[in-house]
Amino acid sequence: EPEVTQTPSHQVTQMGQEVILRCVPISNHLYFYWYRQILGQKVEFLVSFYNNEISEKSEIFDDQFSVERPDGSNFTLKIRSTKLEDSAMYFCASRGSAATFGSGTRLTVV
Amino acid sequence: RKEVEQDPGPFNVPEGATVAFNCTYSNSASQSFFWYRQDCRKEPKLLMSVYSSGNEDGRFTAQLNRASQYISLLIRDSKLSDSATYLCVVNPGWDTDKLIFGTGTRLQVFP
Repeated sequence: EPEVTQTPSHQVTQMGQEVILRCVPISNHLYFYWYRQILGQKVEFLVSFYNNEISEKSEIFDDQFSVERPDGSNFTLKIRSTKLEDSAMYFCASRGSAATFGSGTRLTVV
Repeated sequence: RKEVEQDPGPFNVPEGATVAFNCTYSNSASQSFFWYRQDCRKEPKLLMSVYSSGNEDGRFTAQLNRASQYISLLIRDSKLSDSATYLCVVNPGWDTDKLIFGTGTRLQVFP
């Protein structure tokens, strides 16, 4: 079964540092997403990406965040100047008939 | 009113029991509806899409009531492996493809 691959599985970073979370979506999917889930809370939409540009973003996705599809397979989320409250599980997803999620990157900001 | 609302549970049921989860959504223009399952500290996994006519997949039955803005999931003959959090997920309209998640309903099936 095709899957969405995310790396790393766990990232620990110091407050103020930049992190890049990486995702390889399912190869024939055209829509890509980032979601996050703070521990104990619901999954929240961050951004959707289609045709090499952002199609929609939430109020969470401010100037601290950016996404990129640097080549034909990778899809990245960059978080600049990380804050303690950025600690969460970040899920990448890609969509065919429904969204398939990767196994997530657990980001811990210390 | 929350965009997608679920009873958080937990629902503790014995093996073999039938259990039902409910969900309500606030946006009447919502287009697509799903049930996902999430195991502890894992990613959401699609359980089933929900169609207006209702649909069934083995032991799982999903229903949609657009007039009441209500979605349900019925699990028959519960297995220990059904223990998880069940997420009600809604695409809120024609002009967006984002998904809005409920907080989830936790199910624990015991022997």
